[in-house]
Amino acid sequence: GAGVSQSPRYKVAKRGQDVALRCDPISGHVSLFWYQQALGQGPEFLTYFQNEAQLDKSGLPSDRFFAERPEGSVSTLKIQRTQQEDSAVYLCASSLGEFQGNTEAFFGQGTRLTVV
Amino acid sequence: ILNVEQSPQSLHVQEGDSTNFTCSFPSSNFYALHWYRWETAKSPEALFVMTLNGDEKKKGRISATLNTKEGYSYLYIKGSQPEDSATYLCAIIQGAQKLVFGQGTRLTINP
Repeated sequence: GAGVSQSPRYKVAKRGQDVALRCDPISGHVSLFWYQQALGQGPEFLTYFQNEAQLDKSGLPSDRFFAERPEGSVSTLKIQRTQQEDSAVYLCASSLGEFQGNTEAFFGQGTRLTVV
Repeated sequence: ILNVEQSPQSLHVQEGDSTNFTCSFPSSNFYALHWYRWETAKSPEALFVMTLNGDEKKKGRISATLNTKEGYSYLYIKGSQPEDSATYLCAIIQGAQKLVFGQGTRLTINP
């Protein structure tokens, strides 16, 4: 596809349920990022992949959050035992590589997760 | 941890008026600054990537300036149109590998 694709667009989960959010980056993009945006806040970094390697997961808020990119393309963000504070928009972005020169990030439309 | 501040948080502007808003960031170890526009129900889209002190970039009616010594960037919109209504996000690069965002400025253009 032409851009970054995320699915589902909307997800309502009952508290305690596990969810999986998918990201299809732009083909050939080495870097992939996950961000969490709570209402009224800017996007907060969660984790970063370079190809299949997860180089930085410092932003994952707890061990209930897990991300993978096993073949260096599609990525999945999994949240176990969801809690109300997990309600947010989850954004995925990809880029050609590291942010050198004029390299920019390309974002998906996000997945809005609501935990009830 | 980098702290990126944007002001104001929200702004209402009359159609046809010009406006501007600010992004402030730590001036030490500056690498690059990105501006993104995020329209409702769409993906954030890059407006500008700025790297050099004194950079000025322009895209149509939108322009941006960068002062890395004092740690701020301004985004200007000339002759606002309804399609300019969006959240404008500023982000700083940390370690060449991740974007650290401000909280955004939500701009509403009133017809």
